[in-house]
Amino acid sequence: EPEVTQTPSHQVTQMGQEVILHCVPISNHLYFYWYRQILGQKVEFLVSFYNNEISEKSEIFDDQFSVERPDGSNFTLKIRSTKLEDSAMYFCASSANREDTQYFGPGTRLTVL
Amino acid sequence: AQSVSQHNHHVILSEAASLELGCNYSYGGTVNLFWYVQYPGQHLQLLLKYFSGDPLVKGIKGFEAEFIKSKFSFNLRKPSVQWSDTAEYFCAVIPSSNDYKLSFGAGTTVTVRA
Repeated sequence: EPEVTQTPSHQVTQMGQEVILHCVPISNHLYFYWYRQILGQKVEFLVSFYNNEISEKSEIFDDQFSVERPDGSNFTLKIRSTKLEDSAMYFCASSANREDTQYFGPGTRLTVL
Repeated sequence: AQSVSQHNHHVILSEAASLELGCNYSYGGTVNLFWYVQYPGQHLQLLLKYFSGDPLVKGIKGFEAEFIKSKFSFNLRKPSVQWSDTAEYFCAVIPSSNDYKLSFGAGTTVTVRA
């Protein structure tokens, strides 16, 4: 069964550094998403992406965040200058259609020191 | 504020017991409803979903959920749990047909004792 994959599984970085989280969505899916879960809190929506542009973004997704689909298979989340409060589990998801089931990757645990 | 509420933070029960996890949402209008499960060390997996039609939805692994529109609820049930059902369960809502994002509840940790 096709799966969403994410790398790395764990990323440790210093405050102020840039990080790029990688995702490979399911190959025939058209809609891509990033969510995050701060320890002890709800899973929160960050951004959705369709047709090579952002469809919707949350208040969390400020100018420090960006997404890209550089080569037709990868879907990346970049945080330009990480803050301590960016420490969280970041989940990538994809779906075939807008209202279809979103399939989640295993997550990347980001730790900002 | 619009939200998804899960009533229980942690549920502990014995094998063969029945399970019911509550989920309420505060969004008006059309909603798409989901239950996801996260087994220890694994990623979020879809248990079941409701978009329209029969409000009693059957999912994988013997789970079912009932959509009660008047109560804004989508409770998850399983008549007889197994040790392997130990996991975290998340209710999630897509609030409208024009909305892409899932809004999640806080999750319920279910521990099944053998």
